[in-house]
Amino acid sequence: LAKTTQPISMDSYEGQEVNITCSHNNIATNDYITWYQQFPSQGPRFIIQGYKTKVTNEVASLFIPADRKSSTLSLPRVSLSDTAVYYCLVGDRTGGFKTIFGAGTRLFVKA
Amino acid sequence: EAGVTQFPSHSVIEKGQTVTLRCDPISGHDNLYWYRRVMGKEIKFLLHFVKESKQDESGMPNNRFLAERTGGTYSTLKVQPAELEDSGVYFCASSLDRLGNEQYFGPGTRLTVT
Repeated sequence: LAKTTQPISMDSYEGQEVNITCSHNNIATNDYITWYQQFPSQGPRFIIQGYKTKVTNEVASLFIPADRKSSTLSLPRVSLSDTAVYYCLVGDRTGGFKTIFGAGTRLFVKA
Repeated sequence: EAGVTQFPSHSVIEKGQTVTLRCDPISGHDNLYWYRRVMGKEIKFLLHFVKESKQDESGMPNNRFLAERTGGTYSTLKVQPAELEDSGVYFCASSLDRLGNEQYFGPGTRLTVT
């Protein structure tokens, strides 16, 4: 499973766009990129998943360059409630997906 | 639709005792996963059930841990005997298929071994 590297923490202000980049230099051909969000005292919550180019849902966008060695989670107009830890995971979906969590990025949104 | 539920939310036991954690996945989800986060460390995969069968148990730390999923519905994770280093938060997750799509996590069980 590919190792991921993310910033340990980030600060932002309400209403700003936040971009969290994850490096995964050893990503394999069959690997997908998945992002989870975790609030204190809760389990992780799925945000978005992608393989290449751009994926967008009602919560976030995921940008993946052509070489797929990195990905960027984009959160538009964050609010205080977006303060959480964000995990980038990379792995093969087929035959089961042994999810490996790294240290994550602690995002702190200030008023 | 009810989410993944875990019981108990907290458990405090003494070293050497036995504890059983329970996870009820989302109805219809054949895939069930156990994870844990020990003190200050990252969330680590323990095992994966597909229905009642263990698909992957490579993350189980040792033979003091026993996971079961009789009937392919709820699952239990038993720790016997518990050691101090077993303290942490144990998460359960479920998913509809095995293709690594969205996993739904429960709130976790915080286990403290004293």
